[in-house]
Amino acid sequence: GQSLEQPSEVTAVEGAIVQINCTYQTSGFYGLSWYQQHDGGAPTFLSYNALDGLEETGRFSSFLSRSDSYGYLLLQELQMKDSASYFCAVQFADKLIFGTGTRLQVFP
Amino acid sequence: DTEVTQTPKHLVMGMTNKKSLKCEQHMGHRAMYWYKQKAKKPPELMFVYSYEKLSINESVPSRFSPECPNSSLLNLHLHALQPEDSALYLCASSQSGRAYEQYFGPGTRLTVT
Repeated sequence: GQSLEQPSEVTAVEGAIVQINCTYQTSGFYGLSWYQQHDGGAPTFLSYNALDGLEETGRFSSFLSRSDSYGYLLLQELQMKDSASYFCAVQFADKLIFGTGTRLQVFP
Repeated sequence: DTEVTQTPKHLVMGMTNKKSLKCEQHMGHRAMYWYKQKAKKPPELMFVYSYEKLSINESVPSRFSPECPNSSLLNLHLHALQPEDSALYLCASSQSGRAYEQYFGPGTRLTVT
């Protein structure tokens, strides 16, 4: 089966840089997505890696290494509003399978 | 318009009730999804519709019955649910072939008593 593991919680201070890791035991997927979900809110799409390497979108960057079965989301210049849950997800054709999720808490 | 709407926002139902959840999008997306999410857990895929046809059923119990009346609407009919079915039910849509970038609605918080 597919399994994507993430740390359950990460804490950081405003202005810092934080990396959220996603390790997986699956193969044959099209790419790796990242989603943000605030408490009581809907998941929102952040980024997608179809190929190995780094994708940068503003303060957020995402990385994928298929050979290492590993990806990460890098958040720079952290803001209080970045406090949320973050999910990696692998795409198989018509569907996404989500990782276990990481709760990020940003402190002043 | 990049919004997916869901109604109702909250629903409380008994185990013998029949109810329906509704989802609507006007982005021209031809792929639509139903997810179930328990507290502090990731969204769990239930169904995928592609061009109004059911393409994936993730072994969901028959007490959940999806329907896609047209390209903008997705329903989830509920019947004889169990208390463990209490969860947040999320609808999402995407362009066909771009399942990696889904747009989610705010969800329906369902409580089964």
